Amino acid sequence: GESVGLHLPTLSVQEGDNSIINCAYSNSASDYFIWYKQESGKGPQFIIDIRSNMDKRQGQRVTVLLNKTVKHLSLQIAATQPGDSAVYFCAEHRYGNKLVFGAGTILRVKS
Amino acid sequence: GAGVSQSPSNKVTEKGKDVELRCDPISGHTALYWYRQSLGQGLEFLIYFQGNSAPDKSGLPSDRFSAERTGGSVSTLTIQRTQQEDSAVYLCASSLASRTGNSPLHFGNGTRLTVT
Repeated sequence: GESVGLHLPTLSVQEGDNSIINCAYSNSASDYFIWYKQESGKGPQFIIDIRSNMDKRQGQRVTVLLNKTVKHLSLQIAATQPGDSAVYFCAEHRYGNKLVFGAGTILRVKS
Repeated sequence: GAGVSQSPSNKVTEKGKDVELRCDPISGHTALYWYRQSLGQGLEFLIYFQGNSAPDKSGLPSDRFSAERTGGSVSTLTIQRTQQEDSAVYLCASSLASRTGNSPLHFGNGTRLTVT
């Protein structure tokens, strides 16, 4: 079936370095993508979203890149901080349909 | 309230008992979702309410699971005759999304259900 998946289950980065979390999706009809951050004991927290008519979107210290040709989504975190340690999920959405989540990537920030 | 509120935050129940989980969405949000998350896993879709439309129940794992949304606001997820495999964190989310457009889901902190 169609799914959204992540390349790396665990990513360890040094504090201050940039982090890149990748996601592959298989549904070419998806037109809206979201990145979520989940800390232990909490629900997923919205980070940034992007619509399929865009290739790049920037937020505060975060950038999402969308490559529709290869159905790839990435989240870049600049100057990674210990507080960025969490599980990161990508999710895809189609009009009128449920949001489908990937399996998640654990980001560990080493001080 | 400021965000999505779920209660209880933790629930321990004996196998075979029924449980009810409650979700108070953000005021004005028309869409409401229930997801299930097992330990160390991703989010599994359960059910989706959008306005007055018939809910999308395609993710409910068995007929022991049901949900309702009263008055377009508060939702209750009911699990009958609980089994140990029902143990998980049940997450509720709401959004402003309509069938003509999307907006991000805002999640509560979930109810951790443990079936003994």
